[in-house]
Amino acid sequence: DGGITQSPKYLFRKEGQNVTLSCEQNLNHDAMYWYRQDPGQGLRLIYYSQIVNDFQKGDIAEGYSVSREKKESFPLTVTSAQKNPTAFYLCASSIMVATNEKLFFGSGTQLSVL
Amino acid sequence: EDKVVQSPLSLVVHEGDTVTLNCSYEVTNFRSLLWYKQEKKAPTFLFMLTSSGIEKKSGRLSSILDKKELSSILNITATQTGDSAIYLCAAVIQGAQKLVFGQGTRLTINP
Repeated sequence: DGGITQSPKYLFRKEGQNVTLSCEQNLNHDAMYWYRQDPGQGLRLIYYSQIVNDFQKGDIAEGYSVSREKKESFPLTVTSAQKNPTAFYLCASSIMVATNEKLFFGSGTQLSVL
Repeated sequence: EDKVVQSPLSLVVHEGDTVTLNCSYEVTNFRSLLWYKQEKKAPTFLFMLTSSGIEKKSGRLSSILDKKELSSILNITATQTGDSAIYLCAAVIQGAQKLVFGQGTRLTINP
């Protein structure tokens, strides 16, 4: 079955620690995205990538970093510079950025601070 | 600043009721509006609306876009407990690489 797999489902971060959220897709999509979801707020774009080895900042990129070494994979690192990391993180993909209406989402990772 | 606002933020109804969820947008270079349903974790696509006044239907769900009023509604008739979810709307901006999401409406259907 084609889809997007995010892991882990739950993650806890200690102060000063970097953590990495995994996102893998087997849909052969070029574009991948990371969104952050806070209660009572809409999804906000952190980073997106149109092709391998290329990525762009979204609206709230500070304190986050990404890489896109393979088409299938787009991991997100939440660095210690992100002072309020507790949120639900969603990874998504689309055939290409120009068709970003047809987003497919993963099941998300809930990140909490210890 | 591009903005999408949904109302109500939360709604509790009884099974069998009909509900209407609202989405208004203020964005530059509007292209289309999307509705997603988020039951547990992963949002799933419901509708894409590009033209004003044309209703899209899928079973008991329907949606329509009003470009004059810069808004869209999502109707659910004969609600069931399985309709309980967060409903998200998002505006697609022409030429941009992002969607602008609203806050979501949390719908709860009580038996």
